[in-house]
Amino acid sequence: AQSVAQPEDQVNVAEGNPLTVKCTYSVSGNPYLFWYVQYPNRGLQFLLKYITGDNLVKGSYGFEAEFNKSQTSFHLKKPSALVSDSALYFCAVRPPPTGRLYFGRGTQLTVWP
Amino acid sequence: DADVTQTPRNRITKTGKRIMLECSQTKGHDRMYWYRQDPGLGLRLIYYSFDVKDINKGEISDGYSVSRQAQAKFSLSLESAIPNQTALYFCATSYRAADTQYFGPGTRLTVL
Repeated sequence: AQSVAQPEDQVNVAEGNPLTVKCTYSVSGNPYLFWYVQYPNRGLQFLLKYITGDNLVKGSYGFEAEFNKSQTSFHLKKPSALVSDSALYFCAVRPPPTGRLYFGRGTQLTVWP
Repeated sequence: DADVTQTPRNRITKTGKRIMLECSQTKGHDRMYWYRQDPGLGLRLIYYSFDVKDINKGEISDGYSVSRQAQAKFSLSLESAIPNQTALYFCATSYRAADTQYFGPGTRLTVL
């Protein structure tokens, strides 16, 4: 069975500090990996994805994610958090060869001033 | 994504009523999806369509049906709504299986 785990329901960081939102997965094959962000009363917005190549992927709004094949992880990172980064973050995986996405349960990120 | 629209944005209905949620896209994508979001559960796939003639069940299709009227339109129906279908519903589109999915703004459905 395909599964995606976001082990932390909430992550709290101070503005200016680095942030990490964790994601691990259990799927067959070599999946494509995604991060989405959801602001209140909005749909999901694409942040970044990993398909192949460099393990460090850079995305929108200064976010990046590190792929670790041996640990089956795809953690989202940002060197310096902003209050405006406060939102709900979802990790998703797409096992080959389907077009289906499997989502984690989401991590609420709060950045305080 | 403004290229993916959903109507209505909010709907309150009663148990047993038939409800249709509509999704339209101007991105020219051939693949469309319906998800529901419940607090603490993430998003779960209800149905997906890879083209007008191809409809597939997702992980939670019971109690739902869909119609792909055209490449740009994909509707979700609840034939007889029940309270545990109260949720936030999202439509998404993608060009190919490997591509990013783009989401609509969502429909908040409440079944009393």
